[in-house]
Amino acid sequence: RKEVEQDPGPFNVPEGATVAFNCTYSNSASQSFFWYRQDCRKEPKLLMSVYSSGNEDGRFTAQLNRASQYISLLIRDSKLSDSATYLCVVKNTGNQFYFGTGTSLTVIP
Amino acid sequence: EAGVAQSPRYKIIEKRQSVAFWCNPISGHATLYWYQQILGQGPKLLIQFQNNGVVDDSQLPKDRFSAERLKGVDSTLKIQPAKLEDSAVYLCASSLGGHRATNEKLFFGSGTQLSVL
Repeated sequence: RKEVEQDPGPFNVPEGATVAFNCTYSNSASQSFFWYRQDCRKEPKLLMSVYSSGNEDGRFTAQLNRASQYISLLIRDSKLSDSATYLCVVKNTGNQFYFGTGTSLTVIP
Repeated sequence: EAGVAQSPRYKIIEKRQSVAFWCNPISGHATLYWYQQILGQGPKLLIQFQNNGVVDDSQLPKDRFSAERLKGVDSTLKIQPAKLEDSAVYLCASSLGGHRATNEKLFFGSGTQLSVL
């Protein structure tokens, strides 16, 4: 069983739309959770950490449900520059970081 | 602050040849990781070092892949002999690796794109 499961998409949305990505993880003892963004032919970069209480950074909102082992990312008012692959990442107590397959987003003018 | 440095940026080899990649983590980062990212997939952890010791190499194909971090700073990953299915981007990443590591974050280098022909 994979450590992290994500819907690969692709998601094609118009500018200004709201889009949500979901992710599940298998290890209930996982310690920390993140969303990374990866542009084409670039390395992944940290978008935001995900906290149990939920957290927001501008147009981005991340939520964690430990009971369901479920993580989400909501992007409001999508911009063309949001087009990228979004990777769900889970860190265990041994400091191993496990990545989902990534969800591809294209924002269309 | 300098980021994670990797070289080379690109490498093209024929199958059965050998290849080596180099990584220098962010200064002060104790933990270093090598990931393999095949096109269309997420990064897959190959090996994790804490200083100069191996923490996890459970997904490293040890019959052909080897890695070392002798002085606890920079690291090399080697493939010998390479197979067609090794074509991928090899990403090096580092994190602080402190004892109370709940807020650890991972920082990546720009990767080495390997093509095996």
